[in-house]
Amino acid sequence: AQKITQTQPGMFVQEKEAVTLDCTYDTSDQSYGLFWYKQPSSGEMIFLIYQGSYDEQNATEGRYSLNFQKARKSANLVISASQLGDSAMYFCAMREAQRGAQKLVFGQGTRLTINP
Amino acid sequence: SQTIHQWPATLVQPVGSPLSLECTVEGTSNPNLYWYRQAAGRGLQLLFYSVGIGQISSEVPQNLSASRPQDRQFILSSKKLLLSDSGFYLCAWSDSGRGYEQYFGPGTRLTVT
Repeated sequence: AQKITQTQPGMFVQEKEAVTLDCTYDTSDQSYGLFWYKQPSSGEMIFLIYQGSYDEQNATEGRYSLNFQKARKSANLVISASQLGDSAMYFCAMREAQRGAQKLVFGQGTRLTINP
Repeated sequence: SQTIHQWPATLVQPVGSPLSLECTVEGTSNPNLYWYRQAAGRGLQLLFYSVGIGQISSEVPQNLSASRPQDRQFILSSKKLLLSDSGFYLCAWSDSGRGYEQYFGPGTRLTVT
């Protein structure tokens, strides 16, 4: 069974600093994908970034980048130049394809707080 | 553009009462649909998913059920709520073609008293 582990329950960072949120995963599949979602206090889940297991380059989306280390089974999210609006819960997730659907398995999340 | 709606936004129900949460998607056809539950301070747990009308797959045995009466409508139900059913329920859709990214609705916060 697939499993996602996020070992940082909370992170506190000064505004404008870079922050790395850790994510490790476990799967026996050769083809898989990893996501990061942001959940503000309003509750909505906002897609940030996606990395496929066969992608050779690390994914980047604006200030977000995914540090994908396949041999170590890690997919850390890096946020550059953090902003106050980045304060939220962050979830790492892995997709599991089954019968046409793309099921997601989520980690427990990391609460990121950006201090002014 | 595609949008996903959920209602109600919040709900307080007594133990033993029935439940019906609705999710609809606009701007796409034949989406894959998903119901997740999030307990307080925890990650999301997949409850049900559907790849087509009338096709429901259950991930976790429980007293909840799901139905898909129309292509872009997904309903989560219960005949008798338990205290443990409290949580934040999120509906999501993905493109049935590529389907990698899932787009989430605003969620329903359910409190069972």
